[in-house]
Amino acid sequence: GAVVSQHPSWVICKSGTSVKIECRSLDFQATTMFWYRQFPKQSLMLMATSNEGSKATYEQGVEKDKFLINHASLTLSTLTVTSAHPEDSSFYICSARDRAGYPPEQYFGPGTRLTVT
Amino acid sequence: EDQVTQSPEALRLQEGESSSLNCSYTVSGLRGLFWYRQDPGKGPEFLFTLYSAGEEKEKERLKATLTKKESFLHITAPKPEDSATYLCAVRGPHNNNDMRFGAGTRLTVKP
Repeated sequence: GAVVSQHPSWVICKSGTSVKIECRSLDFQATTMFWYRQFPKQSLMLMATSNEGSKATYEQGVEKDKFLINHASLTLSTLTVTSAHPEDSSFYICSARDRAGYPPEQYFGPGTRLTVT
Repeated sequence: EDQVTQSPEALRLQEGESSSLNCSYTVSGLRGLFWYRQDPGKGPEFLFTLYSAGEEKEKERLKATLTKKESFLHITAPKPEDSATYLCAVRGPHNNNDMRFGAGTRLTVKP
């Protein structure tokens, strides 16, 4: 089946620093990738949608200058949390839509646990 | 606005005790209802997509059904390894690029 990887799987950073999370579709091409955030015992909340080669679309309430998204190729999207603060600590999950499938299926990565101290 | 409500919030079963999880939704022009399984500290694992009322899909001990207002995930003779959080999500015409998730049902199967 389709595989989506994320790196790193977990990261600890100090308040005020930036951290980059990578999301890759390993065996398919994804024109659209999604970034979600999940707090403990809560469901997934969409942060932004990124399309290859264009600017990401952010959900209401998500600061685009704080959460920088780059989708430079059909298999890679990155999320950079800039000037991280403890309240940014969360589980970040990316998802990729297989552009070759119809109807298009959406596959999720294993998630990245971010802890800001 | 599209809404997805899952019930129960948590479910504890004995091994072999069959049951069903519910996902109620309000969306006009459903373009897909999705079921995922999520283990602690991991990303969601795709299970099923349903597109129209009356559709059913099966995979091992799981069977998903869909009506115009809700979907059920039936678990037959569950095993401890079926313990996980089961997430339901819908995609509608107004959010064609993403899915709206429910809060999930945490299933625990005791041996």
